Amino acid sequence: RKEVEQDPGPFNVPEGATVAFNCTYSNSASQSFFWYRQDCRKEPKLLMSVYSSGNEDGRFTAQLNRASQYISLLIRDSKLSDSATYLCVVLTGGGNKLTFGTGTQLKVEL
Amino acid sequence: NAGVTQTPKFQVLKTGQSMTLQCAQDMNHNSMYWYRQDPGMGLRLIYYSASEGTTDKGEVPNGYNVSRLNKREFSLRLESAAPSQTSVYFCASTETSGSGYTQYFGPGTRLTVL
Repeated sequence: RKEVEQDPGPFNVPEGATVAFNCTYSNSASQSFFWYRQDCRKEPKLLMSVYSSGNEDGRFTAQLNRASQYISLLIRDSKLSDSATYLCVVLTGGGNKLTFGTGTQLKVEL
Repeated sequence: NAGVTQTPKFQVLKTGQSMTLQCAQDMNHNSMYWYRQDPGMGLRLIYYSASEGTTDKGEVPNGYNVSRLNKREFSLRLESAAPSQTSVYFCASTETSGSGYTQYFGPGTRLTVL
Protein backbone atom coordinates (compact mmCIF):
# COMPACT_ATOMS: atom_id res chain seq x y z
CA ARG A 1 0.00 0.00 0.00
CA LYS A 2 1.34 3.44 -0.90
CA GLU A 3 1.98 5.79 2.00
CA VAL A 4 -0.08 8.54 0.38
CA GLU A 5 -2.81 7.72 -2.12
CA GLN A 6 -4.71 10.01 -4.43
CA ASP A 7 -7.10 9.57 -7.33
CA PRO A 8 -4.99 10.57 -10.36
CA GLY A 9 -7.95 12.02 -12.28
CA PRO A 10 -8.11 13.92 -14.52
CA PHE A 11 -11.02 15.86 -13.14
CA ASN A 12 -12.50 17.91 -15.99
CA VAL A 13 -14.82 20.61 -14.65
CA PRO A 14 -16.44 23.73 -16.10
CA GLU A 15 -15.39 27.16 -14.93
CA GLY A 16 -17.27 28.12 -11.78
CA ALA A 17 -17.73 24.55 -10.57
CA THR A 18 -16.86 23.25 -7.12
CA VAL A 19 -14.47 20.30 -7.07
CA ALA A 20 -13.13 18.17 -4.22
CA PHE A 21 -10.07 15.97 -4.00
CA ASN A 22 -9.42 13.34 -1.35
CA CYS A 23 -6.22 11.75 -0.19
CA THR A 24 -5.50 8.94 2.27
CA TYR A 25 -2.30 8.29 4.21
CA SER A 26 -1.16 5.08 5.88
CA ASN A 27 1.19 6.25 8.64
CA SER A 28 -0.82 7.16 11.72
CA ALA A 29 2.26 8.88 13.19
CA SER A 30 2.26 11.49 10.41
CA GLN A 31 2.66 14.92 11.85
CA SER A 32 1.71 17.55 9.32
CA PHE A 33 -0.19 17.71 6.08
CA PHE A 34 -0.09 19.91 3.02
CA TRP A 35 -1.45 20.46 -0.46
CA TYR A 36 1.07 21.43 -3.13
CA ARG A 37 0.25 22.59 -6.63
CA GLN A 38 2.33 21.62 -9.65
CA ASP A 39 1.85 23.20 -13.06
CA CYS A 40 2.86 21.26 -16.16
CA ARG A 41 6.64 20.86 -16.36
CA LYS A 42 7.18 23.14 -13.36
CA GLU A 43 8.25 22.63 -9.77
CA PRO A 44 5.73 21.96 -6.97
CA LYS A 45 4.72 24.93 -4.85
CA LEU A 46 3.00 24.99 -1.47
CA LEU A 47 -0.72 25.73 -1.83
CA MET A 48 -1.71 25.41 1.80
CA SER A 49 -1.09 23.56 5.01
CA VAL A 50 -3.88 21.42 6.43
CA TYR A 51 -4.87 21.83 10.06
CA SER A 52 -6.97 19.54 12.25
CA SER A 53 -9.66 22.15 12.63
CA GLY A 54 -9.85 22.70 8.88
CA ASN A 55 -8.69 25.86 7.19
CA GLU A 56 -9.67 28.11 4.35
CA ASP A 57 -7.69 30.34 2.01
CA GLY A 58 -9.97 32.23 -0.34
CA ARG A 59 -11.68 29.70 -2.62
CA PHE A 60 -9.67 26.79 -1.17
CA THR A 61 -10.68 24.76 1.89
CA ALA A 62 -8.61 21.95 3.37
CA GLN A 63 -9.81 19.38 5.89
CA LEU A 64 -8.02 16.71 7.90
CA ASN A 65 -9.61 13.63 9.44
CA ARG A 66 -6.99 11.95 11.62
CA ALA A 67 -9.28 9.11 12.70
CA SER A 68 -9.90 8.07 9.11
CA GLN A 69 -6.47 9.20 7.94
CA TYR A 70 -7.67 11.27 5.06
CA ILE A 71 -7.20 14.81 3.81
CA SER A 72 -9.40 16.77 1.46
CA LEU A 73 -9.14 19.87 -0.69
CA LEU A 74 -12.22 21.76 -1.89
CA ILE A 75 -11.97 24.36 -4.63
CA ARG A 76 -14.97 26.64 -5.09
CA ASP A 77 -15.74 28.76 -8.16
CA SER A 78 -13.03 27.08 -10.26
CA LYS A 79 -10.96 29.28 -12.56
CA LEU A 80 -9.11 28.32 -15.72
CA SER A 81 -5.92 29.18 -13.84
CA ASP A 82 -6.66 26.44 -11.28
CA SER A 83 -5.80 23.83 -13.92
CA ALA A 84 -2.81 21.95 -12.47
CA THR A 85 -1.88 18.81 -10.59
CA TYR A 86 -2.58 18.88 -6.85
CA LEU A 87 -0.21 16.90 -4.65
CA CYS A 88 -1.18 15.60 -1.24
CA VAL A 89 1.87 15.71 1.03
CA VAL A 90 2.53 14.27 4.48
CA LEU A 91 5.36 15.06 6.91
CA THR A 92 6.77 12.02 8.71
CA GLY A 93 10.09 10.64 9.85
CA GLY A 94 10.84 12.93 12.76
CA GLY A 95 9.88 16.04 10.86
CA ASN A 96 12.55 15.76 8.21
CA LYS A 97 10.89 14.09 5.28
CA LEU A 98 7.88 14.76 3.11
CA THR A 99 6.01 11.93 1.39
CA PHE A 100 4.19 12.94 -1.78
CA GLY A 101 1.12 11.46 -3.37
CA THR A 102 1.20 10.97 -7.12
CA GLY A 103 -1.13 13.91 -7.62
CA THR A 104 -4.62 14.60 -8.91
CA GLN A 105 -4.89 16.40 -12.22
CA LEU A 106 -7.51 19.15 -12.55
CA LYS A 107 -8.58 20.64 -15.87
CA VAL A 108 -10.95 23.60 -15.72
CA GLU A 109 -12.72 24.25 -19.02
CA LEU A 110 -14.75 27.11 -20.48
CA ASN B 1 16.38 36.30 -3.55
CA ALA B 2 16.79 33.71 -6.29
CA GLY B 3 15.37 30.95 -4.04
CA VAL B 4 16.51 27.49 -5.12
CA THR B 5 18.51 27.29 -8.34
CA GLN B 6 19.52 24.18 -10.27
CA THR B 7 21.88 23.54 -13.14
CA PRO B 8 21.68 22.29 -15.78
CA LYS B 9 18.03 22.55 -16.85
CA PHE B 10 18.35 19.76 -19.43
CA GLN B 11 20.92 17.02 -19.96
CA VAL B 12 21.29 14.01 -22.23
CA LEU B 13 23.77 11.32 -21.22
CA LYS B 14 24.86 8.02 -22.64
CA THR B 15 24.75 4.91 -20.48
CA GLY B 16 27.82 4.79 -18.26
CA GLN B 17 28.59 8.50 -18.34
CA SER B 18 28.80 10.47 -15.12
CA MET B 19 27.54 13.89 -14.21
CA THR B 20 26.82 16.16 -11.27
CA LEU B 21 23.62 18.11 -10.77
CA GLN B 22 24.15 21.36 -8.93
CA CYS B 23 21.76 23.00 -6.48
CA ALA B 24 22.04 26.17 -4.43
CA GLN B 25 19.69 28.10 -2.15
CA ASP B 26 20.05 31.62 -0.83
CA MET B 27 17.40 31.43 1.90
CA ASN B 28 19.76 30.27 4.69
CA HIS B 29 17.85 27.00 5.10
CA ASN B 30 19.44 24.16 7.02
CA SER B 31 17.74 21.25 5.25
CA MET B 32 18.12 20.39 1.57
CA TYR B 33 16.73 17.52 -0.50
CA TRP B 34 17.02 15.76 -3.84
CA TYR B 35 13.95 14.15 -5.43
CA ARG B 36 13.21 12.44 -8.68
CA GLN B 37 9.81 12.56 -10.37
CA ASP B 38 8.62 9.90 -12.77
CA PRO B 39 5.19 9.55 -14.42
CA GLY B 40 2.76 7.75 -12.11
CA MET B 41 5.31 7.55 -9.28
CA GLY B 42 5.14 10.96 -7.71
CA LEU B 43 8.15 12.63 -6.14
CA ARG B 44 10.55 10.21 -4.48
CA LEU B 45 13.30 11.25 -2.10
CA ILE B 46 16.82 10.29 -3.18
CA TYR B 47 18.96 11.90 -0.45
CA TYR B 48 18.59 14.68 2.02
CA SER B 49 20.81 16.80 4.23
CA ALA B 50 19.37 17.99 7.53
CA SER B 51 22.27 20.38 8.08
CA GLU B 52 25.66 21.29 6.70
CA GLY B 53 28.00 18.32 6.98
CA THR B 54 25.30 15.63 7.19
CA THR B 55 23.58 13.56 4.52
CA ASP B 56 21.10 10.68 4.70
CA LYS B 57 19.58 8.24 2.27
CA GLY B 58 16.01 8.63 1.16
CA GLU B 59 13.71 6.16 -0.55
CA VAL B 60 15.72 5.61 -3.77
CA PRO B 61 19.46 6.30 -3.15
CA ASN B 62 21.00 3.53 -5.28
CA GLY B 63 23.13 4.86 -8.13
CA TYR B 64 23.52 8.32 -6.62
CA ASN B 65 25.89 10.18 -4.32
CA VAL B 66 25.52 13.60 -2.74
CA SER B 67 27.73 16.30 -1.29
CA ARG B 68 26.63 19.08 1.02
CA LEU B 69 29.42 21.44 0.10
CA ASN B 70 28.32 24.20 2.47
CA LYS B 71 25.06 25.54 3.80
CA ARG B 72 24.04 26.89 0.37
CA GLU B 73 24.98 24.04 -1.95
CA PHE B 74 23.88 20.41 -2.27
CA SER B 75 25.00 18.45 -5.32
CA LEU B 76 23.83 15.10 -6.71
CA ARG B 77 26.20 12.86 -8.63
CA LEU B 78 25.45 10.00 -10.99
CA GLU B 79 28.65 7.97 -11.26
CA SER B 80 27.54 5.66 -14.07
CA ALA B 81 24.24 6.71 -15.59
CA ALA B 82 21.63 4.11 -16.50
CA PRO B 83 18.44 4.48 -18.60
CA SER B 84 16.41 3.86 -15.40
CA GLN B 85 17.75 7.19 -14.14
CA THR B 86 15.94 9.09 -16.89
CA SER B 87 13.75 11.41 -14.86
CA VAL B 88 13.11 14.96 -13.70
CA TYR B 89 15.26 15.85 -10.70
CA PHE B 90 14.18 18.47 -8.19
CA CYS B 91 16.26 20.01 -5.46
CA ALA B 92 14.49 21.56 -2.49
CA SER B 93 15.20 23.33 0.76
CA THR B 94 13.03 23.66 3.82
CA GLU B 95 12.04 26.51 6.04
CA THR B 96 10.75 25.56 9.46
CA SER B 97 9.28 28.32 11.56
CA GLY B 98 6.64 28.89 14.16
CA SER B 99 4.12 29.43 11.40
CA GLY B 100 4.77 26.12 9.70
CA TYR B 101 6.89 24.03 7.40
CA THR B 102 7.50 24.99 3.77
CA GLN B 103 9.58 23.22 1.19
CA TYR B 104 10.84 25.32 -1.72
CA PHE B 105 11.74 23.63 -4.97
CA GLY B 106 14.15 24.48 -7.74
CA PRO B 107 12.95 24.48 -11.36
CA GLY B 108 14.17 20.94 -12.01
CA THR B 109 16.69 19.18 -14.26
CA ARG B 110 15.31 17.02 -17.06
CA LEU B 111 17.74 14.16 -17.55
CA THR B 112 17.62 11.61 -20.35
CA VAL B 113 19.97 8.62 -20.33
CA LEU B 114 20.26 6.82 -23.66
